[in-house]
Amino acid sequence: GNSVTQMEGPVTLSEEAFLTINCTYTATGYPSLFWYVQYPGEGLQLLLKATKADDKGSNKGFEATYRKETTSFHLEKGSVQVSDSAVYFCALSTGGFKTIFGAGTRLFVKA
Amino acid sequence: NAGVTQTPKFQVLKTGQSMTLQCAQDMNHNSMYWYRQDPGMGLRLIYYSASEGTTDKGEVPNGYNVSRLNKREFSLRLESAAPSQTSVYFCASSPQVTHSGNTIYFGEGSWLTVV
Repeated sequence: GNSVTQMEGPVTLSEEAFLTINCTYTATGYPSLFWYVQYPGEGLQLLLKATKADDKGSNKGFEATYRKETTSFHLEKGSVQVSDSAVYFCALSTGGFKTIFGAGTRLFVKA
Repeated sequence: NAGVTQTPKFQVLKTGQSMTLQCAQDMNHNSMYWYRQDPGMGLRLIYYSASEGTTDKGEVPNGYNVSRLNKREFSLRLESAAPSQTSVYFCASSPQVTHSGNTIYFGEGSWLTVV
């Protein structure tokens, strides 16, 4: 079946450090891929998405490229801020109503 | 700018008690969902409603019932709460399902503890 695997956290970085959160997937067909972010005490919100191979999603300085050959969708940011501290979820959808979420990766950014 | 609103935000139940989580969205979305979030397990789909008048089971439906009251409202009921249902519950909605998947809009969550 479809699944998403993302790196375990927590990830702790200093402000202005480079961020990578790894995400790989298993899916039949051609899924769309998503990154959602959950700030403390809030629900998840869409950060970025990509709907086909080699697409790059970007938002708020975050980027992720849909790599079909490596079945990956790694999240990157060049310079993190304290306000980026949150839990990040990788997710996939093959259409239909059942989006599959990864377990989440908690990011702490220190000033 | 409410989006998806769910109540209550916090609840403590005794084993065997029943309760209903309420959810409403004001974005005119067709589809609504209930998820639970547990540490290390991400979000798991409990039930969803593709459109008004329909409901379907998700990944973990046992112990829950749902009602799609109208296009705006989708409630989740625990008939006889168990400690295994201690979790954070999220209501969500999406405008329509396409071949490229949904963007899902989430409420702020309901923290439920069953003792």
